[in-house]
Amino acid sequence: QSALTQPPSASGSPGQSVTISCTGTSSDFGGYDYVSWYQQHPGKAPKLMISEVTKRPSGVPDRFSGSKSGNTASLTVSGLQAEDEAHYYCSSYTASNKWVFGGGTKLTVL
Amino acid sequence: EVQLAESGGGLVQPGGSLRLSCAASGFTFSNYWMLWVRQPPGKGLVWVSRVNNDGSSTIYADSVEGRFTISRDNAKNTLYLQMNSLRAEDTAVYYCVRGGGAGAFDYWGQGTLVAVSS
Repeated sequence: QSALTQPPSASGSPGQSVTISCTGTSSDFGGYDYVSWYQQHPGKAPKLMISEVTKRPSGVPDRFSGSKSGNTASLTVSGLQAEDEAHYYCSSYTASNKWVFGGGTKLTVL
Repeated sequence: EVQLAESGGGLVQPGGSLRLSCAASGFTFSNYWMLWVRQPPGKGLVWVSRVNNDGSSTIYADSVEGRFTISRDNAKNTLYLQMNSLRAEDTAVYYCVRGGGAGAFDYWGQGTLVAVSS
């Protein structure tokens, strides 16, 4: 199972918006809208930021939003803040009832 | 408060075995799928295995199929991962994860480090 494709890095200044892409195949996305995004700060466990492409769990700021078009999902962080600097991983539940992650994107707040 | 606490990691020689445990609290354990996700040092996240609510159904990543066994004890609120025939490439932090539905992993433990080396 190959990983979903994410850019290795992204950056933006405070207050700006940044979008991180996550590309896979139709089998990776399995015909479901079961794409999730996770934030991971150094030395910490990942944290769920977006589920089912667009849903934000309780407590996640509305600056974080998700979308999907075809075989590419995206995470947008609006109004960048210093604490948003972290690694971000996408994940999808696949057609073979397994999961696949993206390789991760390091988001730098300039 | 949902808590997941892994234990059992450590240094093991290639070909050896190790059993990870994950003690769950703060939620009705038997209502949720549970999973293991690993992260090699300096690298990204990799899904390892999933067990359903009552332990009757399991599934594995190709890289661990036949070597790892996931199981659970709902009476003890504990998830397990039995790892056999360990290889250097199994070296990683192993996270215990709750399946939140719709393919999402909604709670993560702090992880336990497994190092496979001679």
